Amino acid sequence: QSVLTQPPSVSGAPGQRVTISCTGSSSNIGAGYNVHWYQQLPGTAPKLLIYDNSNRPSGVPDRFSGSKSGTSASLAITGLQAEDEASYYCQSYESSLSGWVFGGGTKLTVL
Amino acid sequence: QVQLQQSGPGLVKPSQTLSLTCAISGDSVSSNTVGWNWIRQSPSRGLEWLGRTYYRSKWYNDYAVSVKSRITITPDTSKNHFSLQLNSVTPEDTAVYYCARSRQGYDYWGRGTLVTVSS
Repeated sequence: QSVLTQPPSVSGAPGQRVTISCTGSSSNIGAGYNVHWYQQLPGTAPKLLIYDNSNRPSGVPDRFSGSKSGTSASLAITGLQAEDEASYYCQSYESSLSGWVFGGGTKLTVL
Repeated sequence: QVQLQQSGPGLVKPSQTLSLTCAISGDSVSSNTVGWNWIRQSPSRGLEWLGRTYYRSKWYNDYAVSVKSRITITPDTSKNHFSLQLNSVTPEDTAVYYCARSRQGYDYWGRGTLVTVSS
Protein backbone atom coordinates (compact mmCIF):
# COMPACT_ATOMS: atom_id res chain seq x y z
CA GLN A 1 0.00 0.00 0.00
CA SER A 2 1.75 3.16 -1.23
CA VAL A 3 1.59 6.40 0.72
CA LEU A 4 0.86 8.15 -2.59
CA THR A 5 -2.10 6.67 -4.48
CA GLN A 6 -2.22 6.50 -8.26
CA PRO A 7 -4.69 4.74 -10.56
CA PRO A 8 -3.19 1.46 -11.76
CA SER A 9 -3.94 2.21 -15.38
CA VAL A 10 -5.20 4.87 -17.78
CA SER A 11 -5.65 4.82 -21.52
CA GLY A 12 -6.28 7.16 -24.41
CA ALA A 13 -6.26 7.34 -28.18
CA PRO A 14 -3.49 9.06 -30.11
CA GLY A 15 -3.92 12.82 -30.01
CA GLN A 16 -6.09 12.76 -26.90
CA ARG A 17 -5.40 14.19 -23.45
CA VAL A 18 -5.03 12.06 -20.33
CA THR A 19 -4.42 12.91 -16.72
CA ILE A 20 -2.87 10.81 -13.96
CA SER A 21 -3.69 11.63 -10.37
CA CYS A 22 -1.48 11.26 -7.31
CA THR A 23 -3.37 11.44 -4.02
CA GLY A 24 -1.49 12.03 -0.82
CA SER A 25 -2.22 13.43 2.62
CA SER A 26 -1.38 16.18 5.09
CA SER A 27 1.96 14.54 5.88
CA ASN A 28 3.30 14.65 2.33
CA ILE A 29 1.80 16.63 -0.56
CA GLY A 30 -0.57 18.52 1.73
CA ALA A 31 2.32 19.59 3.94
CA GLY A 32 3.77 21.54 1.02
CA TYR A 33 6.41 19.10 -0.14
CA ASN A 34 7.20 19.13 -3.84
CA VAL A 35 5.93 16.45 -6.19
CA HIS A 36 8.06 15.01 -8.96
CA TRP A 37 6.94 12.76 -11.83
CA TYR A 38 8.84 10.03 -13.66
CA GLN A 39 8.30 8.08 -16.86
CA GLN A 40 9.56 4.51 -17.03
CA LEU A 41 9.76 2.55 -20.25
CA PRO A 42 10.00 -1.25 -19.94
CA GLY A 43 13.46 -2.44 -18.95
CA THR A 44 14.83 1.04 -18.33
CA ALA A 45 15.42 3.32 -15.37
CA PRO A 46 12.82 5.95 -14.51
CA LYS A 47 13.29 9.31 -16.22
CA LEU A 48 12.50 12.64 -14.55
CA LEU A 49 9.53 14.17 -16.34
CA ILE A 50 8.32 16.96 -14.02
CA TYR A 51 10.12 18.41 -11.01
CA ASP A 52 8.90 20.69 -8.24
CA ASN A 53 5.23 20.15 -9.12
CA SER A 54 5.13 21.79 -12.54
CA ASN A 55 8.59 22.26 -14.05
CA ARG A 56 9.91 20.36 -17.06
CA PRO A 57 13.59 19.41 -17.33
CA SER A 58 15.31 20.40 -20.53
CA GLY A 59 14.29 18.10 -23.37
CA VAL A 60 10.89 17.09 -22.01
CA PRO A 61 8.15 18.07 -24.48
CA ASP A 62 5.62 20.68 -23.38
CA ARG A 63 2.90 18.06 -23.97
CA PHE A 64 3.69 17.02 -20.39
CA SER A 65 2.55 19.25 -17.55
CA GLY A 66 2.15 18.94 -13.80
CA SER A 67 0.01 20.60 -11.18
CA LYS A 68 -0.59 20.38 -7.46
CA SER A 69 -3.53 21.34 -5.28
CA GLY A 70 -4.12 20.55 -1.64
CA THR A 71 -3.18 16.95 -0.93
CA SER A 72 -3.06 15.88 -4.59
CA ALA A 73 -1.07 16.34 -7.75
CA SER A 74 -1.73 15.57 -11.40
CA LEU A 75 0.23 14.83 -14.53
CA ALA A 76 -1.38 15.78 -17.83
CA ILE A 77 -0.30 14.52 -21.22
CA THR A 78 -1.76 16.17 -24.31
CA GLY A 79 -1.47 15.07 -27.92
CA LEU A 80 -0.91 11.44 -26.90
CA GLN A 81 1.66 9.56 -28.95
CA ALA A 82 2.44 5.86 -29.15
CA GLU A 83 5.84 6.53 -27.56
CA ASP A 84 4.12 7.81 -24.41
CA GLU A 85 3.07 4.25 -23.56
CA ALA A 86 4.93 3.68 -20.29
CA SER A 87 4.52 3.62 -16.53
CA TYR A 88 4.35 6.92 -14.66
CA TYR A 89 5.24 7.51 -11.01
CA CYS A 90 4.77 10.42 -8.65
CA GLN A 91 7.17 11.04 -5.77
CA SER A 92 7.24 13.30 -2.73
CA TYR A 93 8.52 13.54 0.84
CA GLU A 94 6.68 11.81 3.70
CA SER A 95 7.24 13.53 7.03
CA SER A 96 5.98 10.64 9.16
CA LEU A 97 8.69 8.43 7.64
CA SER A 98 11.34 11.16 7.30
CA GLY A 99 11.97 9.93 3.80
CA TRP A 100 10.98 10.05 0.16
CA VAL A 101 8.15 7.94 -1.21
CA PHE A 102 6.79 6.97 -4.60
CA GLY A 103 3.30 6.31 -5.84
CA GLY A 104 2.43 2.81 -6.94
CA GLY A 105 2.67 3.76 -10.60
CA THR A 106 0.19 4.15 -13.46
CA LYS A 107 0.44 2.18 -16.69
CA LEU A 108 -0.54 4.33 -19.67
CA THR A 109 -1.84 2.50 -22.71
CA VAL A 110 -2.13 4.33 -26.01
CA LEU A 111 -5.03 2.70 -27.86
CA GLN B 1 26.60 15.21 -18.84
CA VAL B 2 26.30 13.25 -15.62
CA GLN B 3 26.63 9.48 -15.89
CA LEU B 4 26.23 6.89 -13.15
CA GLN B 5 27.81 3.47 -13.65
CA GLN B 6 26.69 0.72 -11.30
CA SER B 7 28.68 -2.39 -10.43
CA GLY B 8 28.29 -5.32 -8.09
CA PRO B 9 27.11 -8.93 -7.92
CA GLY B 10 23.72 -9.97 -9.17
CA LEU B 11 23.34 -12.89 -6.78
CA VAL B 12 23.59 -12.79 -2.99
CA LYS B 13 22.92 -15.59 -0.52
CA PRO B 14 20.37 -15.14 2.27
CA SER B 15 21.81 -13.63 5.49
CA GLN B 16 24.79 -12.22 3.60
CA THR B 17 25.59 -8.62 2.62
CA LEU B 18 24.52 -6.97 -0.62
CA SER B 19 27.18 -4.56 -1.90
CA LEU B 20 26.86 -2.22 -4.89
CA THR B 21 28.91 0.71 -6.12
CA CYS B 22 27.91 3.70 -8.23
CA ALA B 23 30.70 5.49 -10.10
CA ILE B 24 30.02 9.13 -10.93
CA SER B 25 31.23 10.99 -14.01
CA GLY B 26 30.37 14.56 -14.87
CA ASP B 27 29.81 15.56 -11.23
CA SER B 28 31.44 15.14 -7.84
CA VAL B 29 30.29 12.99 -4.94
CA SER B 30 31.39 15.96 -2.79
CA SER B 31 29.10 18.45 -4.54
CA ASN B 32 27.28 20.55 -1.96
CA THR B 33 24.15 21.01 -4.06
CA VAL B 34 23.05 17.41 -4.71
CA GLY B 35 22.48 14.10 -2.97
CA TRP B 36 23.45 10.58 -3.98
CA ASN B 37 20.77 7.97 -3.54
CA TRP B 38 19.97 4.29 -3.71
CA ILE B 39 16.49 3.26 -4.85
CA ARG B 40 15.16 -0.22 -5.54
CA GLN B 41 12.22 -1.59 -7.49
CA SER B 42 10.41 -4.88 -7.16
CA PRO B 43 6.96 -6.09 -8.23
CA SER B 44 5.87 -6.45 -4.61
CA ARG B 45 7.24 -3.19 -3.18
CA GLY B 46 7.29 -0.90 -6.24
CA LEU B 47 9.84 1.91 -6.24
CA GLU B 48 11.40 2.28 -2.81
CA TRP B 49 13.89 4.94 -1.74
CA LEU B 50 16.53 3.34 0.48
CA GLY B 51 18.80 6.18 1.46
CA ARG B 52 21.22 8.90 0.47
CA THR B 53 24.55 10.46 1.26
CA TYR B 54 25.33 14.13 0.74
CA TYR B 55 27.96 16.72 1.56
CA ARG B 56 27.18 20.10 3.12
CA SER B 57 30.51 21.08 4.69
CA LYS B 58 30.44 17.63 6.23
CA TRP B 59 28.94 14.26 5.28
CA TYR B 60 25.37 13.30 6.09
CA ASN B 61 23.27 10.19 5.55
CA ASP B 62 19.54 9.59 5.54
CA TYR B 63 18.05 6.11 5.49
CA ALA B 64 14.58 4.71 4.96
CA VAL B 65 12.93 3.45 8.14
CA SER B 66 12.30 0.09 6.48
CA VAL B 67 16.02 -0.69 6.13
CA LYS B 68 17.63 1.66 8.66
CA SER B 69 19.05 -1.11 10.84
CA ARG B 70 20.69 -2.89 7.90
CA ILE B 71 21.92 -0.22 5.49
CA THR B 72 25.10 1.81 5.04
CA ILE B 73 25.79 4.25 2.20
CA THR B 74 29.39 5.41 1.96
CA PRO B 75 30.98 8.05 -0.26
CA ASP B 76 34.50 7.63 -1.61
CA THR B 77 35.99 10.95 -2.68
CA SER B 78 39.20 9.43 -4.04
CA LYS B 79 37.25 7.30 -6.53
CA ASN B 80 34.29 9.68 -6.93
CA HIS B 81 31.77 6.99 -6.19
CA PHE B 82 29.38 5.91 -3.48
CA SER B 83 28.45 2.48 -2.24
CA LEU B 84 25.52 0.60 -0.79
CA GLN B 85 25.77 -2.15 1.78
CA LEU B 86 22.63 -3.95 2.89
CA ASN B 87 23.16 -6.56 5.59
CA SER B 88 21.29 -9.72 6.48
CA VAL B 89 19.43 -9.92 3.20
CA THR B 90 16.40 -12.14 2.62
CA PRO B 91 14.55 -13.07 -0.58
CA GLU B 92 12.37 -9.99 0.05
CA ASP B 93 15.42 -7.87 -0.85
CA THR B 94 15.39 -9.24 -4.39
CA ALA B 95 14.93 -6.21 -6.65
CA VAL B 96 16.46 -3.99 -9.29
CA TYR B 97 18.71 -1.52 -7.46
CA TYR B 98 19.32 1.95 -8.88
CA CYS B 99 21.66 4.73 -7.90
CA ALA B 100 20.41 8.23 -8.61
CA ARG B 101 21.36 11.86 -8.13
CA SER B 102 18.89 14.11 -6.32
CA ARG B 103 18.75 17.81 -6.94
CA GLN B 104 15.23 18.75 -7.89
CA GLY B 105 13.86 15.24 -8.14
CA TYR B 106 16.07 12.33 -9.16
CA ASP B 107 17.51 13.76 -12.35
CA TYR B 108 20.17 11.17 -13.22
CA TRP B 109 19.89 7.41 -12.73
CA GLY B 110 22.13 4.42 -13.15
CA ARG B 111 20.95 1.65 -15.45
CA GLY B 112 19.97 -0.61 -12.59
CA THR B 113 21.31 -3.89 -11.22
CA LEU B 114 19.08 -6.89 -10.71
CA VAL B 115 20.06 -8.43 -7.38
CA THR B 116 18.60 -11.81 -6.57
CA VAL B 117 18.76 -13.17 -3.04
CA SER B 118 18.87 -16.93 -3.24
CA SER B 119 20.90 -19.85 -1.96
